[in-house]
Amino acid sequence: AQSVTQLDSQVPVFEEAPVELRCNYSSSVSVYLFWYVQYPNQGLQLLLKYLSGSTLVKSINGFEAEFNKSQTSFHLRKPSVHISDTAEYFCAVSKSGGSYIPTFGRGTSLIVHP
Amino acid sequence: DADVTQTPRNRITKTGKRIMLECSQTKGHDRMYWYRQDPGLGLRLIYYSFDVKDINKGEISDGYSVSRQAQAKFSLSLESAIPNQTALYFCATQGIGGSPDTQYFGPGTRLTVL
Repeated sequence: AQSVTQLDSQVPVFEEAPVELRCNYSSSVSVYLFWYVQYPNQGLQLLLKYLSGSTLVKSINGFEAEFNKSQTSFHLRKPSVHISDTAEYFCAVSKSGGSYIPTFGRGTSLIVHP
Repeated sequence: DADVTQTPRNRITKTGKRIMLECSQTKGHDRMYWYRQDPGLGLRLIYYSFDVKDINKGEISDGYSVSRQAQAKFSLSLESAIPNQTALYFCATQGIGGSPDTQYFGPGTRLTVL
């Protein structure tokens, strides 16, 4: 079975500063990796995902994440955050070629201060 | 119109009452899921269904039941609600063709059991 650890429950940062949200996973097989974002009073929506190929994946709003197989990590980064990035971020993992049922981390609350 | 809808959006009920949460989707997906979200615990899977005739328990199914009335509808019932079932509940869908990995979430139902 796979598992996900999000190392920080809350990350406060000032606007325009860089941010990194950390995610480590555990799995004995190849995986798919995801970051979902939950804005206040909304459901989760996919931010970006790694399925195969290039280990660096990017979202349309400036976030990126790099799959590091040796470190079993999939950290999310943004070079300059905006107030509107304030949200809960969830890392998730599923087995590639398996049931595709994801396992979610506990979430990281990104709080961007003006 | 939203692809995944949930009703009600908010519900307050008393201990011992029977509650049904409903989910409908227009994405044409075969797979549907019910999760609960608690602060600091992330998303935990309650039940999932891969098609109309397939229902499976998730990691926290005790105290819950589900019904898959059609491809588009998946309901979650609490037969006798208790206070520790107070949580935010999400329905999600997932296709099996194209990009079978991504889940699409509804806006959530906030349930309070007094």
